[in-house]
Amino acid sequence: GAVVSQHPSWVICKSGTSVKIECRSLDFQATTMFWYRQFPKQSLMLMATSNEGSKATYEQGVEKDKFLINHASLTLSTLTVTSAHPEDSSFYICSARDLGGRAMDTQYFGPGTRLTVL
Amino acid sequence: RKEVEQDPGPFNVPEGATVAFNCTYSNSASQSFFWYRQDCRKEPKLLMSVYSSGNEDGRFTAQLNRASQYISLLIRDSKLSDSATYLCVVILSGSARQLTFGSGTQLTVLP
Repeated sequence: GAVVSQHPSWVICKSGTSVKIECRSLDFQATTMFWYRQFPKQSLMLMATSNEGSKATYEQGVEKDKFLINHASLTLSTLTVTSAHPEDSSFYICSARDLGGRAMDTQYFGPGTRLTVL
Repeated sequence: RKEVEQDPGPFNVPEGATVAFNCTYSNSASQSFFWYRQDCRKEPKLLMSVYSSGNEDGRFTAQLNRASQYISLLIRDSKLSDSATYLCVVILSGSARQLTFGSGTQLTVLP
């Protein structure tokens, strides 16, 4: 099946630093990728929709200047958490829609990145 | 009111038991429905899509009731490996095909 990778799988950083997370579709092209955040014992919350070659669409309450998204190619989207603070500690998961898939709703999730900000 | 609501559980059942999860959604124009499974500290994985006619995949049966805006998942002959959090997922009308997740129902199958 389709594979989506994320890097890094976990990161620990000091407060105030920036962290970049990569999301790659390994065997299919994805014009649209989604970024989610999941806090402990809570559900996945959509942060933004990343569109190849255009600006990302952010959900209400998500600061676009803090969570920078770049979708430079059909197989790569990056999320940069700028000036990270302890409250940004969370599990960040990306997903990509396989345009070539038989089911247009098919989304494949990356393995997630666990961010801990000290 | 949340867009997708689930009983958080936890459900603790013995091996071999039958267990059912329920989910309700608030937007009557919702288009597509799924059950995902998420293991601890892992990404969610698609378990099955849910259709109005109901569908079955081995020990798993999913049902959709559009009139009641209700989705269910039935697991028969539960295995230890079924222990996970089960997420009800909906694609809302007009949402550009974005997935909206319920908060999940935790299942533990006991030996």
